[in-house]
Amino acid sequence: EADIYQTPRYLVIGTGKKITLECSQTMGHDKMYWYQQDPGMELHLIHYSYGVNSTEKGDLSSESTVSRIRTEHFPLTLESARPSHTSQYLCASSEGLAAIEQFFGPGTRLTVL
Amino acid sequence: GQQLNQSPQSMFIQEGEDVSMNCTSSSIFNTWLWYKQDPGEGPVLLIALYKAGELTSNGRLTAQFGITRKDSFLNISASIPSDVGIYFCAPANAGNMLTFGGGTRLMVKP
Repeated sequence: EADIYQTPRYLVIGTGKKITLECSQTMGHDKMYWYQQDPGMELHLIHYSYGVNSTEKGDLSSESTVSRIRTEHFPLTLESARPSHTSQYLCASSEGLAAIEQFFGPGTRLTVL
Repeated sequence: GQQLNQSPQSMFIQEGEDVSMNCTSSSIFNTWLWYKQDPGEGPVLLIALYKAGELTSNGRLTAQFGITRKDSFLNISASIPSDVGIYFCAPANAGNMLTFGGGTRLMVKP
């Protein structure tokens, strides 16, 4: 089981603020992912990374950006938060480039007022 | 594009009953994963299926990879209150991303 951490767990913020959601994994996994999930709904992939200095956009268009400067760290940034960004954000990782099984962090529930 | 249908969307059952849910797809997949998500948490991997026709158990959970590679089911036997949550199927092909179903919300009445 992967150890994958997300902070903060909950964030309530005003419109226009810049925010960064943190995600770290201690398993040395190559691939990392960010998903957006509305309560009780399916997960939508918004960003992924194959490794250091690799970032790709997912199926769901998002105004957020990501970076992968270190293997273990994959932060997500919103330059100017809006109420439409209110959602749960889930980070995941998988072991190798061919790996299918993804292991998820606990998520960050973001509310933008 | 591919269509992934997970059913039922929700189930409200009595403790001790067996549960069955399934996913069907318009596309062929090489792998089917099943996840469970507790309220306020991230999904946890329950079972991974890599071969068409494969039947795999994990405690009270049993999952099968359909022979056509377009479907999978998950059964839970003798449900208990901690089985409450949302169950997601997530098929994929080698090297590709997971596609998540809409989820089955399970509620268990003690």
